[in-house]
Amino acid sequence: DIQMTQSPSSLSASVGDRVTITCRASQDIRNDLSWYHQKPGKAPKGLIYATSTLQSGVPSRFSGSGSGTEFTLTISSLQPEDFATYYCLHSHGFPRTFGQGTRVEIK
Amino acid sequence: EVQLAESGGGLVQPGGSLRLSCATSGFTFSTYWMNWLRQAPGKGLEWVATILQDGSEKHYVDSVKGRFTVSRDNAKNSLYLQMNSLRAEDTAVYYCAREDWGRFDWGQGTLVTVSS
Repeated sequence: DIQMTQSPSSLSASVGDRVTITCRASQDIRNDLSWYHQKPGKAPKGLIYATSTLQSGVPSRFSGSGSGTEFTLTISSLQPEDFATYYCLHSHGFPRTFGQGTRVEIK
Repeated sequence: EVQLAESGGGLVQPGGSLRLSCATSGFTFSTYWMNWLRQAPGKGLEWVATILQDGSEKHYVDSVKGRFTVSRDNAKNSLYLQMNSLRAEDTAVYYCAREDWGRFDWGQGTLVTVSS
């Protein structure tokens, strides 16, 4: 099974900061990686799929990069509505697995 | 607009059964892979099962194999999850999700609580 290691598990940042979250896959998953964020009590919402394609309606301050085994989600200028938990998910075969999540908190 | 609405959650005793449903609209249901995912209280997300377009191929996470069955009715635009032999560790919010080339579109979820 492919394991996804996400880091950091949490971070504190201020509005306007640049934030980077990393996911590492235990084997090559090509570009089969997507990102989601989730606010307490709410369903996850999609941000990016196929490593770097922004989902419709997602602000351009979000970007994704990487390939193979290392992937990055970047928020170029953190906004108040971005404080949430972020997850990566691989879709390169089965079972699909998520990263452990990164909680982005207000500094 | 893509819409997915889960139902069927509730309180069930250990060893019991429950059937979740996911009603969909706003897209051609029969042309998409569909998934069930879950989130235990205070925990991260977990993929549970995938069913391909015509239902001929299904995949499950190891922890539910032999207990859960995913199915679909393309005529009713609906996805199902039959859950048998439920355990306390199956307690979670269950989400259905449409998969489109690695992009997941999620429903709002339904809570399943397994407790005596």
